Amino acid sequence: ETGVTQTPRHLVMGMTNKKSLKCEQHLGHNAMYWYKQSAKKPLELMFVYNFKEQTENNSVPSRFSPECPNSSHLFLHLHTLQPEDSALYLCASSQDGQGAPNEQFFGPGTRLTVL
Amino acid sequence: AQTVTQSQPEMSVQEAETVTLSCTYDTSESNYYLFWYKQPPSRQMILVIRQEAYKQQNATENRFSVNFQKAAKSFSLKISDSQLGDTAMYFCAFMIHNNNDMRFGAGTRLTVKP
Repeated sequence: ETGVTQTPRHLVMGMTNKKSLKCEQHLGHNAMYWYKQSAKKPLELMFVYNFKEQTENNSVPSRFSPECPNSSHLFLHLHTLQPEDSALYLCASSQDGQGAPNEQFFGPGTRLTVL
Repeated sequence: AQTVTQSQPEMSVQEAETVTLSCTYDTSESNYYLFWYKQPPSRQMILVIRQEAYKQQNATENRFSVNFQKAAKSFSLKISDSQLGDTAMYFCAFMIHNNNDMRFGAGTRLTVKP
């Protein structure tokens, strides 16, 4: 496996379900991100982890819970979601450091549908 | 707060022709970076081109070039000799120096017609 992988690629869940999205990066990066992509809206940054520590949380509802056990893996735990949470959830990684920012490498995304 | 605006939701271009995608942004910062990302249908988002705000020279990557107008806060992408594989969503993005918070525009859907 190379690059950034995400599983599952598609997920349908009811509002009372609990599920988790998984992201894995094989690039040796030290920063990982969760984004939400909704139709006709800008990508929304949800969470940022640098060296496994969460550094950004852009007022994301508590029904989304991130977990970063190590610098290669990132999870997004979902519970009691709403239909408006249906979207493409993208994971990305980068090599964070001083100076010019490094490119963010994106995974293929998980298409989430909440019924 | 930083915002990024892409005023063209959809565009189309004939194969081999040139197309320009518009992007404007709003910030009070002086040290920042601008990006264009490409998201082909059902495929992963990839970086097309990057521009450092302190550089006056416009970035170029093969058939892709930008017109960076710092005073006007404009960052357009020009695609020359368009190819069918250029069909994708294109996102303009902005990031402040030493900050991980990348802000994206809503995207422009580009279709290259044969």
